Amino acid sequence: DGGITQSPKYLFRKEGQNVTLSCEQNLNHDAMYWYRQDPGQGLRLIYYSQIVNDFQKGDIAEGYSVSREKKESFPLTVTSAQKNPTAFYLCASSLRWGAEETQYFGPGTRLLVL
Amino acid sequence: AQSVTQLDSQVPVFEEAPVELRCNYSSSVSVYLFWYVQYPNQGLQLLLKYLSGSTLVKGINGFEAEFNKSQTSFHLRKPSVHISDTAEYFCAVNIRINNDMRFGAGTRLTVKP
Repeated sequence: DGGITQSPKYLFRKEGQNVTLSCEQNLNHDAMYWYRQDPGQGLRLIYYSQIVNDFQKGDIAEGYSVSREKKESFPLTVTSAQKNPTAFYLCASSLRWGAEETQYFGPGTRLLVL
Repeated sequence: AQSVTQLDSQVPVFEEAPVELRCNYSSSVSVYLFWYVQYPNQGLQLLLKYLSGSTLVKGINGFEAEFNKSQTSFHLRKPSVHISDTAEYFCAVNIRINNDMRFGAGTRLTVKP
């Protein structure tokens, strides 16, 4: 089955700790995205990647970092600089970079702060 | 920049009743329009999208939406809802000349027996 997997499903972060959220897709998609979802708000873009070895900041990139060394993988690191990391994080991909493209979403990772 | 307003944060409705979820957008340039559905603790799934052509777009699960350029709206409708349609629905707008998707805050549809 083709799709997007995210792990873990739940993640707990201690003060001052960096944590990494995994996102893998086997759809052979070029573009990948990370969104943050807070209750009562829509999705906000953290980072995106148009193609392997490229990534760009989205609207709320501060306190986050990403890499795109492989086409199928786009991990997100939540650093200690992100002061309010509690949220639901969604990874998505699209076949190509373009406004008309459908974005396919993973099941999400819920990050909680201890 | 473009923006999206979903006019109702919650819509309760009885099973087999019709439903309309309202979405208005603002943009100074041409856009593409999307509706996504999110079931509890899951990712989003595309219901339908408008790119061009007929302003009435049919999607999955019996949903449809109509693009109204003059009113800058893209309302989602279903003639008869099921319990299984209980979910959060997101309207999204993307500018044609770049890829800058903006999502509305969501409408929680609750279908009651």
